[in-house]
Amino acid sequence: AQSVTQLGSHVSVSEGALVLLRCNYSSSVPPYLFWYVQYPNQGLQLLLKYTSAATLVKGINGFEAEFKKSETSFHLTKPSAHMSDAAEYFCAVSDLRANSKLTFGKGITLSVRP
Amino acid sequence: KAGVTQTPRYLIKTRGQQVTLSCSPISGHRSVSWYQQTPGQGLQFLFEYFSETQRNKGNFPGRFSGRQFSNSRSEMNVSTLELGDSALYLCASSLFMLRETQYFGPGTRLLVL
Repeated sequence: AQSVTQLGSHVSVSEGALVLLRCNYSSSVPPYLFWYVQYPNQGLQLLLKYTSAATLVKGINGFEAEFKKSETSFHLTKPSAHMSDAAEYFCAVSDLRANSKLTFGKGITLSVRP
Repeated sequence: KAGVTQTPRYLIKTRGQQVTLSCSPISGHRSVSWYQQTPGQGLQFLFEYFSETQRNKGNFPGRFSGRQFSNSRSEMNVSTLELGDSALYLCASSLFMLRETQYFGPGTRLLVL
């Protein structure tokens, strides 16, 4: 079965600083990987996805993630944090054998300090 | 194109009651999945429907059920509500079933008293 691990539940950065949110996955088949963001009282919004094409994936709002098979990682980064980036971020994996079921990590809350 | 819509957005019920939540997918999307989000358990997959058939089911008791209509709209039902069913219920739609990107609605927040 597939699984996702997001280390730490809370990350705090200063505005303008690098954002790095970590995600490690486990999957017995080549995975499809996703990052979603959730703002308070809202649903999930897709930031980016990896589907076995380019290993460096660019998403919306300046975010990008790099798929590293050897490290089973799919970390999310943004060069310069903005106050509006404060939200909860979820990494998810979709396993081919489980159709389109998504398995999510526990989520990381990102705070941005002025 | 309109996004995924869910109704109602907020709901308060008491233990033992039943509840029905509704989800309208993005136009043209035929797969609808449901997830439960709680602070303790995070996001958990409930079930998925495609062409009016349940194709995948998570590890939830039989009190949780769903269905999909010919227009792809979906409903989920929870019978005999328990306090632990208080959660945000999210619906997601996608074009087809296999590994397509899922687009989420705003959710229905259910509070069981």
